[in-house]
Amino acid sequence: GQQLNQSPQSMFIQEGEDVSMNCTSSSIFNTWLWYKQEPGEGPVLLIALYKAGELTSNGRLTAQFGITRKDSFLNISASIPSDVGIYFCALIHTDKLIFGTGTRLQVFP
Amino acid sequence: DAMVIQNPRYQVTQFGKPVTLSCSQTLNHNVMYWYQQKSSQAPKLLFHYYDKDFNNEADTPDNFQSRRPNTSFCFLDIRSPGLGDAAMYLCATSRRFRLAGDKNIQYFGAGTRLSVL
Repeated sequence: GQQLNQSPQSMFIQEGEDVSMNCTSSSIFNTWLWYKQEPGEGPVLLIALYKAGELTSNGRLTAQFGITRKDSFLNISASIPSDVGIYFCALIHTDKLIFGTGTRLQVFP
Repeated sequence: DAMVIQNPRYQVTQFGKPVTLSCSQTLNHNVMYWYQQKSSQAPKLLFHYYDKDFNNEADTPDNFQSRRPNTSFCFLDIRSPGLGDAAMYLCATSRRFRLAGDKNIQYFGAGTRLSVL
């Protein structure tokens, strides 16, 4: 099946630092999604990307759809404690989502 | 204003005792999904409904069943829960666009955490 590699697996950072995570796929897709999941909650959609090269921001979050259509990255600037959670990239394949393995983010004050 | 609502948020059941988890949505989406998520892993799709059409994943155990009586509601039935079924169960919905299948963004509920004693 499709492989979706996400890195890093976890990050421990200090409040105020910038964060970067990325995903790569083995095939070309048309839509990249980034979700955040806080402890005990369901995933919440952060950003959706539809075009190669597209760069989209949502507050302190910025995500890009790679030119090759096989990768995407998510940046978080000036992290705060409430950024804690697991960040998943995902691809849409027909009616289904293919999830990355997740990046667990811990922010220390 | 929650749009995908899961009840209960926490469910405790006994080994082998049937349990039903519920999901409702106010988005009028035509696709509803059930996922199982174990600690620190990505959600794993169990099955989904496109309108009334049921689509089971090949590796979903027979122990898991689902019902969708109308557009708004979908249920997950676990017939004989085992210890390995303890997990977070997530419901999600999407609107399928016939000509743009790759735009079916899924919106998730808050989940039901199931414990099996």
